[in-house]
Amino acid sequence: DQQVKQNSPSLSVQEGRISILNCDYTNSMFDYFLWYKKYPAEGPTFLISISSIKDKNEDGRFTVFLNKSAKHLSLHIVPSQPGDSAVYFCAAADSGAGSYQLTFGKGTKLSVIP
Amino acid sequence: DGGITQSPKYLFRKEGQNVTLSCEQNLNHDAMYWYRQDPGQGLRLIYYSQIVNDFQKGDIAEGYSVSREKKESFPLTVTSAQKNPTAFYLCASSIFFGGRALYEQYFGPGTRLTVT
Repeated sequence: DQQVKQNSPSLSVQEGRISILNCDYTNSMFDYFLWYKKYPAEGPTFLISISSIKDKNEDGRFTVFLNKSAKHLSLHIVPSQPGDSAVYFCAAADSGAGSYQLTFGKGTKLSVIP
Repeated sequence: DGGITQSPKYLFRKEGQNVTLSCEQNLNHDAMYWYRQDPGQGLRLIYYSQIVNDFQKGDIAEGYSVSREKKESFPLTVTSAQKNPTAFYLCASSIFFGGRALYEQYFGPGTRLTVT
């Protein structure tokens, strides 16, 4: 049972436009969410996170939106750059579970076309 | 420079052999983790350790073993009992703050293990 779902395996966007990557979750106990970026044959790099007490968090070109009622979050990249081309993973955590486990989605491959 | 080192980057083994993957960090992080990634899949947690001499099983611990004798090191052994060992293995670490590990985990470059 996949608790974190990224339903779009891939996304292509023109350079300079907005990239929107989506993530849905089913476990209502998740209360902390993260986005990671991964290049081939490298480890993921932490991008941005959001706690369930917020509905938006911004860091430069990256903004994460959280809709708790819909159990949905999205990552917006504006403007998109060719260097943003990578696989993006959404991850979620239950801070009350007593462990520090992150549950990852399967990832969305973003291609930014020059 | 602080970071996480995984070696080697590529590893080849014959079926039936145990193999140990190295993970070292100089970030002074308390918590360390091992994940496995398969093509088209997310990262799945194998084992994690919050402090030295203590570790916990993740979702897919069967066929793997770990040790945490030093804060800086968290080696993973893929045993012959692991049915599908060929995968990309990632080590990560995170800091403790106020007695809790922060969820922002920092990853090493990974080791691609191929077993034939």
